[in-house]
Amino acid sequence: DTAVSQTPKYLVTQMGNDKSIKCEQNLGHDTMYWYKQDSKKFLKIMFSYNNKELIINETVPNRFSPKSPDKAHLNLHINSLELGDSAVYFCASSQGGFSYNSPLHFGNGTRLTVT
Amino acid sequence: AQKVTQAQTEISVVEKEDVTLDCVYETRDTTYYLFWYKQPPSGELVFLIRRNSFDEQNEISGRYSWNFQKSTSSFNFTITASQVVDSAVYFCALETSGSRLTFGEGTQLTVNP
Repeated sequence: DTAVSQTPKYLVTQMGNDKSIKCEQNLGHDTMYWYKQDSKKFLKIMFSYNNKELIINETVPNRFSPKSPDKAHLNLHINSLELGDSAVYFCASSQGGFSYNSPLHFGNGTRLTVT
Repeated sequence: AQKVTQAQTEISVVEKEDVTLDCVYETRDTTYYLFWYKQPPSGELVFLIRRNSFDEQNEISGRYSWNFQKSTSSFNFTITASQVVDSAVYFCALETSGSRLTFGEGTQLTVNP
């Protein structure tokens, strides 16, 4: 069983569209994250939820809205997609409020391409 | 502010060579954790090691070893007798109680047969 799974793996869409990426973890972790990896491979945190509560929001445009229906799921909805949103988006989870309590377990990533 | 520097953008070696990936970090916190992650060509991020700031013991795991030196703020990663399957991007990362996990820019390692 995949520990952290995200869907879809690839997402190609046009500018201006709205899209969602789903993430689920079956590790029993209480904290989930979204990271963005740009074309230069740089990884940067976007959001973090602990027990369904938002605890990190790192200067991300408000076109990005995370939603956590329960502690095993953290979805990412993006409105009015722009070319600059093209990237690989990684979901991750850990036990504890910060990853130093336990290492992050990452999903396999969603490659978003905006044309 | 926290910062992680991986000065080597790309490294290319021939199979069976030893290779060291450098990582230098900056933080004012006395309590922190350092990590290494591997990202193979398939794209997933794989956790390799975590080390806390109070434990400077070097660690060895098979062909992998890590050298943590607080005096130089470095946490270097050595692969002994490299193999083609070691080809990947390797990320060093830092987390403190006051900040989120901060990644370095990664080192692309290519091991040629």
